Order: sequence, then C-alpha cells, then structure tokens
Amino acid sequence: SQQGEEDPQALSIQEGENATMNCSYKTSINNLQWYRQNSGRGLVHLILIRSNEREKHSGRLRVTLDTSKKSSSLLITASRAADTASYFCATASDRGSTLGRLYFGRGTQLTVWP
Amino acid sequence: NAGVMQNPRHLVRRRGQEARLRCSPVKGHSHVYWYRQLPEEGLKFMVYLQKENIIDESGMPKERFSAEFPKEGPSILRIQQVVRGDSAAYFCASSPSGSWAGDTQYFGPGTRLTVL
Repeated sequence: SQQGEEDPQALSIQEGENATMNCSYKTSINNLQWYRQNSGRGLVHLILIRSNEREKHSGRLRVTLDTSKKSSSLLITASRAADTASYFCATASDRGSTLGRLYFGRGTQLTVWP
Repeated sequence: NAGVMQNPRHLVRRRGQEARLRCSPVKGHSHVYWYRQLPEEGLKFMVYLQKENIIDESGMPKERFSAEFPKEGPSILRIQQVVRGDSAAYFCASSPSGSWAGDTQYFGPGTRLTVL
C-alpha cells in the first residue's frame, strides 16, 4: 500500500507554539499534498510539493519533502486556536496504473489551546 | 468562483434503498474523483472519472456501487441496496487535469450517508 501515515496521531499545544506533523509513505510519488479538515467538514487544500522539490512555504506553513526517506513534514508556526483541525497528507503516484488517485493517511488531530 | 458542490449534504436511507450522491466540479475541471471516509479514518479512493469516461474504478466495490460523469450535468455516485456498512462521508474532488500533472484536487463539503 502506498498509503501515507501521519505522526503523531494527536498533538496538543498552546497558542503561539509551533506544530510539526510528519508523514511517511511507501512508494515513489509525483507529488505530496497536505490538507486540513475541520470536524465534520470537507477538506481544505493547504500546499502541494512536487517530488523534485525539497521545501515549500505558504504563509505560516512550511513543508519539507525527503524522497530518499519517503517522508514529509508540515510545520505550522505561531499556531492559533483556529488551526485546530485534522491534518492529512496525501500522495499522488507516478505509476501508470494508479495515476490520478490520492492516497491519504489517517491524519493528525491538532488541538491548539488559547 | 464556485468550488466543488455536493448534494445532498446529509442523506439518510434505510437498508435496501438506493442512495444517489451528486457532485458538480469546479467550473472548467474535467477530472472528478470520489473518496469515502469512515469515522476517525483518512479518505479512501473509490473512482476517478473524466467526462463520459471511467478512468479508474479499482477502489470501488464491484457490486452495488456505480459512478458516472456525463457530458452534461453533475457526476453521480450511486449505491444500490445500501447496507449499514455504507454509512460514511463521501467526498468528491475535481482537478483541471490529472493529479499526475501536479494538479491540486479540490474537495467538496461531502455527503454524509447514514443507513438505518
């Protein structure tokens, strides 16, 4: 299975602290995407990083990708209570038989306390 | 610009009934994907469609489930003779081209199906 796995499963921090979530996957990828999901809601796309990229920034988000270790990390700096949500990584395959689909992990539940 | 629209948002069916879930992709997007999410789990791929074509349905159960994306109108995910195990949130996503091209998939708000 190519399914990504996030670590930790749950993370609880205070406002203003940084939150780091990790994602590991098993096979080669074309790109990796991070999504956020608030309880009972749909997914919001945060950032996409391609397999030939190592780091990407978007506002308070920083994503790294290490294809040799098949891992990625999402860093949220200066967290806010509104960042409380589940965060998922999803990988897009580079294999012809599975092109198009995204493989999701189980997610990291982030709670930011005011 | 309207994002991905799904309806209904909530659907309750009794065992044995049919469920029809609709998805209107972002305007101009020709690729649609359906995913299923069980409680406390990530999303699982079901099917990938382009207009009038099923590209990959390997994630969809072979019985009772079907999907289409006609030339005109929304994509439909149809579940016949629903069972309690079909209770889940069903998400639709769209992209302008295939995800292998590096496109982001934009997700709808989901349809939460409850089978009584």
